[in-house]
Amino acid sequence: AQSVAQPEDQVNVAEGNPLTVKCTYSVSGNPYLFWYVQYPNRGLQFLLKYITGDNLVKGSYGFEAEFNKSQTSFHLKKPSALVSDSALYFCAVRDIGNTDKLIFGTGTRLQVFP
Amino acid sequence: KAGVTQTPRYLIKTRGQQVTLSCSPISGHRSVSWYQQTPGQGLQFLFEYFSETQRNKGNFPGRFSGRQFSNSRSEMNVSTLELGDSALYLCASSLAGTSGRASTDTQYFGPGTRLTVL
Repeated sequence: AQSVAQPEDQVNVAEGNPLTVKCTYSVSGNPYLFWYVQYPNRGLQFLLKYITGDNLVKGSYGFEAEFNKSQTSFHLKKPSALVSDSALYFCAVRDIGNTDKLIFGTGTRLQVFP
Repeated sequence: KAGVTQTPRYLIKTRGQQVTLSCSPISGHRSVSWYQQTPGQGLQFLFEYFSETQRNKGNFPGRFSGRQFSNSRSEMNVSTLELGDSALYLCASSLAGTSGRASTDTQYFGPGTRLTVL
């Protein structure tokens, strides 16, 4: 079965500093990986996805993610954090060839301090 | 292009009642998936509909059901509500579903319906 893990419940970073939100995955075939962000009382907003190709994927709001096959990771990054980036971030993997469901991690709360 | 819309946004019900939630996908999207989000269980997949047919189902009891209409709009019904059904219910739409190449499709989420069961 495919799964995704987000090892940190919360990440704290100062505004202007780089941020990383970690995600590792377990799949039996090729991974289809996604990052979503959720602001308070809102639904999930799509940030970026990795299907194939370049290991560095660029997404919305200046976010990017690096796919690392050997480490089975798909960490979300941003060079310079903004206070407005404070939100709940979810990594997800598509359960290809099994149920095709989108399986979400438990989420990481990002807190950016002024 | 308008995003995914869900109605109502907030709902308060009592135990034993039933509830129907509605989701209108992005124009042109034919797949609609439903998720339940709770603090304890996180995001859990409920079911997915494509072309009026249920294609995938999560591990939820039969009290949870859904349907999709010919215009791709979808409804979710929960009967005999329990306190544990209190959650944010999210709907997501994508272009062509989840099979084959469509598995790479991005799911776009609505704002959710906050259901409170008293």
